[in-house]
Amino acid sequence: GENVEQHPSTLSVQEGDSAVIKCTYSDSASNYFPWYKQELGKRPQLIIDIRSNVGEKKDQRIAVTLNKTAKHFSLHITETQPEDSAVYFCAASTAGYSSASKIIFGSGTRLSIRP
Amino acid sequence: GAVVSQHPSRVICKSGTSVKIECRSLDFQATTMFWYRQFPKQSLMLMATSNEGSKATYEQGVEKDKFLINHASLTLSTLTVTSAHPEDSSFYICSARDRFGGYTFGSGTRLTVV
Repeated sequence: GENVEQHPSTLSVQEGDSAVIKCTYSDSASNYFPWYKQELGKRPQLIIDIRSNVGEKKDQRIAVTLNKTAKHFSLHITETQPEDSAVYFCAASTAGYSSASKIIFGSGTRLSIRP
Repeated sequence: GAVVSQHPSRVICKSGTSVKIECRSLDFQATTMFWYRQFPKQSLMLMATSNEGSKATYEQGVEKDKFLINHASLTLSTLTVTSAHPEDSSFYICSARDRFGGYTFGSGTRLTVV
């Protein structure tokens, strides 16, 4: 089955600097890669996602890149702000309707933004 | 957008009792429901996958007789933790997949077994 590894486990950056979180996956059939932000005691919130037919996607300060050959994908947050502090999870899945499709999460990165 | 209502949000129960957690999709049909467990400062670990009208598929290491999953309709799935013990204390969260392949999470249930 799918295995998703995420690094680093903790990340502290100065406000205004950029943060990068990296993930690798094992199943070459995975074609959907969402990123979630989770605050303490809350449900994960989808912040951006990318599908395998795209190499990069950007939404304001957040961007995700995907290298299917290397099975790597990364989250980039620019101009970080205090409200970006949270735990971030990458995930991998096969998109679309399939009884075998499921989202497998990485281990999470606790991001702290220093004022 | 799609909403999944999960109840209760918090529950405290005595060791040996059973607890039922409900997830209901409010404005769409959830063809598949995923149940996750999250221990403090850890990731979401998939426990089981259920499709409406069929038996749930459990991940390796998850006891199907302890974590009973029912997905009797396209809008309701339940997870029952039977004979709960303190080590079952965790954050349980469901995620519903609609027929277009989109995923929506419930708000989670914090279970404390005393």
